[in-house]
Amino acid sequence: QKEVEQNSGPLSVPEGAIASLNCTYSDRGSQSFFWYRQYSGKSPELIMFIYSNGDKEDGRFTAQLNKASQYVSLLIRDSQPSDSATYLCAVSNTGKLIFGQGTTLQVKP
Amino acid sequence: GAVVSQHPSRVICKSGTSVKIECRSLDFQATTMFWYRQFPKQSLMLMATSNEGSKATYEQGVEKDKFLINHASLTLSTLTVTSAHPEDSSFYICSAKYPTSENEQFFGPGTRLTVL
Repeated sequence: QKEVEQNSGPLSVPEGAIASLNCTYSDRGSQSFFWYRQYSGKSPELIMFIYSNGDKEDGRFTAQLNKASQYVSLLIRDSQPSDSATYLCAVSNTGKLIFGQGTTLQVKP
Repeated sequence: GAVVSQHPSRVICKSGTSVKIECRSLDFQATTMFWYRQFPKQSLMLMATSNEGSKATYEQGVEKDKFLINHASLTLSTLTVTSAHPEDSSFYICSAKYPTSENEQFFGPGTRLTVL
């Protein structure tokens, strides 16, 4: 079992819709959870991090964490074509980040 | 703030040569930096943790004699790929741990290495 699992996609949504990206992790000791966006040929850029159970909102993005279910998700409201990218979930409990394989999101105009 | 740079952005070299990649934190001091490798269509894989003033910690399966890491100052870590071979061709990305955060890392723009 991979430590951090994501559906590779592609996930295709129409412009203006809500995109829902999911991630599960195996290490119950994980304490920090991150979502990164990576455009093709570029390095990852941090979108959000979440440490506590529940929801955390930042603009069009909402991260949701459920430690009991070992599940973290990212919702993107009012999706735009510029949101088309690979979204990487990363988990940490020792200061090191363990990445999932990423989900490719396609937002169609 | 929290800007990390890498140099070079792209390098092409012949098999058997060595390549040095620099990673700099431009507006903060980073006692800890990380080196990742990303093959096409795959996720980032941590290669090693670079600690200022001490030896790097390598992940399982990463050859420390092939991937030399030096973290001589609080703003600079270098990765040298020694005796590079075509299978070392990859996207190498560094990150720096933000000093006031337990786990937050900021990534450099990456270095595309192609070994002929």
